[in-house]
Amino acid sequence: AQKVTQAQTEISVVEKEDVTLDCVYETRDTTYYLFWYKQPPSGELVFLIRRNSFDEQNEISGRYSWNFQKSTSSFNFTITASQVVDSAVYFCALTTSLTISNFGNEKLTFGTGTRLTIIP
Amino acid sequence: DAMVIQNPRYQVTQFGKPVTLSCSQTLNHNVMYWYQQKSSQAPKLLFHYYDKDFNNEADTPDNFQSRRPNTSFCFLDIRSPGLGDAAMYLCATSEGDTEYNEQFFGPGTRLTVL
Repeated sequence: AQKVTQAQTEISVVEKEDVTLDCVYETRDTTYYLFWYKQPPSGELVFLIRRNSFDEQNEISGRYSWNFQKSTSSFNFTITASQVVDSAVYFCALTTSLTISNFGNEKLTFGTGTRLTIIP
Repeated sequence: DAMVIQNPRYQVTQFGKPVTLSCSQTLNHNVMYWYQQKSSQAPKLLFHYYDKDFNNEADTPDNFQSRRPNTSFCFLDIRSPGLGDAAMYLCATSEGDTEYNEQFFGPGTRLTVL
């Protein structure tokens, strides 16, 4: 079975601090994709990144960076110089070939989310 | 801008009174999903369509039904809402033409059951 664990339920940091959100996943499949989504108070889930299991390169996009470590089954997300607009719930998610019933029917397994509050 | 649209954003219904939530997309994506998200929980997949092919999750109650009359629209029908069905309902789409597409979410409809 697939599982995504986000152990940090809530995090609060002062604006401009760096913050790392942890994500640990479990799957028996060798082919899988990992995602991060942001859910601001408005409710919409905003796609941030997709990473496949064969690409362990870390990625940086502006103030956001992601650290994928297959050895520890982790896909952590770091925000540098945090801003108040970063306040949201962040979900890590996993999809694998085991959860594809037929082509195109990907199913996301979500973690329980981390609520991030940036204090001005 | 191409997007996923959900109407209404807030819906109030009475216990047992049928309600329909709607979702439309301008992305021309093959796959449309409905998720239920309760407070402080992760989204839970109810069902999804690949074109007209309907895929129901095993633990989705019979009380929840869906219709997809065309590529652009998908509806969630709750036949007899209970208090436990109060939640945010999220619609999402994905291209479906390659594997592991990211899903694009609408803003959600928050359902209150009185």
